Amino acid sequence: NAGVMQNPRHLVRRRGQEARLRCSPMKGHSHVYWYRQLPEEGLKFMVYLQKENIIDESGMPKERFSAEFPKEGPSILRIQQVVRGDSAAYFCASSPRDNSPLHFGNGTRLTVT
Amino acid sequence: QQPVQSPQAVILREGEDAVINCSSSKALYSVHWYRQKHGEAPVFLMILLKGGEQKGHEKISASFNEKKQQSSLYLTASQLSYSGTYFCGTEYVGSARQLTFGSGTQLTVLP
Repeated sequence: NAGVMQNPRHLVRRRGQEARLRCSPMKGHSHVYWYRQLPEEGLKFMVYLQKENIIDESGMPKERFSAEFPKEGPSILRIQQVVRGDSAAYFCASSPRDNSPLHFGNGTRLTVT
Repeated sequence: QQPVQSPQAVILREGEDAVINCSSSKALYSVHWYRQKHGEAPVFLMILLKGGEQKGHEKISASFNEKKQQSSLYLTASQLSYSGTYFCGTEYVGSARQLTFGSGTQLTVLP
């Protein structure tokens, strides 16, 4: 059973470009979460999605950031017009239902130059 | 509002014990514990639901004190492989299901 798959592992973007991060949850998991982690810091919640629905986006910046989890295909975290402060590791996690453990992907390390 | 973890860092010798604490100012529904090694994904250790239960995983166990809104992670007879950063993640009563993580406790086990 494949784990949570994130790609790309590393992404380099210049300021002003767009970054698209993909996450395929574990088979049978309908809950997807995105977290951001700065070096030597904790995991900051961004957004919680279920298929075709955003359940909680209280951790998402109001501008430039969006997320989706379509009926078919992976969840996408999209960052428009990236700035240097967006450089971080972005982790996706999935779970099959409420009150169950989160399974994390290996993350996408975004570097904005 | 994120939970508060203590200590921030701890250094042990192999075979020694450690306790990591996680406390919240809001009513907790559940507490999760994860371990993350440098450059890797966080790995689930255990989940505790409100009710004061205690769980164990190999030589790692945890408790959840609902009255104090606290959880503690106990590592006994630590092994080199226990090194990493430990995060508690909390779910709050009455809020949408999301985990809020503490800032982490860096554990180093020396031979």
